[in-house]
Amino acid sequence: EAGVAQSPRYKIIEKRQSVAFWCNPISGHATLYWYQQILGQGPKLLIQFQNNGVVDDSQLPKDRFSAERLKGVDSTLKIQPAKLEDSAVYLCASSLRAGEGKLFFGSGTQLSVL
Amino acid sequence: GENVEQHPSTLSVQEGDSAVIKCTYSDSASNYFPWYKQELGKRPQLIIDIRSNVGEKKDQRIAVTLNKTAKHFSLHITETQPEDSAVYFCAASMGYSTLTFGKGTMLLVSP
Repeated sequence: EAGVAQSPRYKIIEKRQSVAFWCNPISGHATLYWYQQILGQGPKLLIQFQNNGVVDDSQLPKDRFSAERLKGVDSTLKIQPAKLEDSAVYLCASSLRAGEGKLFFGSGTQLSVL
Repeated sequence: GENVEQHPSTLSVQEGDSAVIKCTYSDSASNYFPWYKQELGKRPQLIIDIRSNVGEKKDQRIAVTLNKTAKHFSLHITETQPEDSAVYFCAASMGYSTLTFGKGTMLLVSP
């Protein structure tokens, strides 16, 4: 089966600029997650969608981060404006349903904010 | 919320030796404990998982044990090989809540 697709693979921007990441989950997976992985740390959940509704966005810095999952399939994560500390790998993952447990991760987008 | 601590942060072993990585969790209601392997520059991939109604699970050279009373679980890799070198993450969740990950253990297996 096709895996979770993410783009771009790499992105370099200057602070205060905006950036957007795209994710296409595995077909049929109702739950989609965006994680932030800072170098040397484990993935930290930013937002979880069930179909096109938000289940958990408690750790999303809402003053600068936004995400949407229109039509319950693809999702985009946006940062505006970016800060130096946003430099990280942004991982998208999907699972068949919430509580399924097994997450399938995309290859991630490595963001460098200069 | 859930907090997952993972130790050690780095583990170096010789090929053929065993490796053990330990995690503790804070929420006694957590009931699902997966382990992910992340090779350099690649995506995390699930290698084994255990639910709270089971104390131990094996899959070839890897095994996971769970002690609910002490709220800790461990990953055991026997007969390590160079291709086992990677960062390993433990995680915990309860019901429909999302996973909370540990900070990871870098395992280095020397030939």
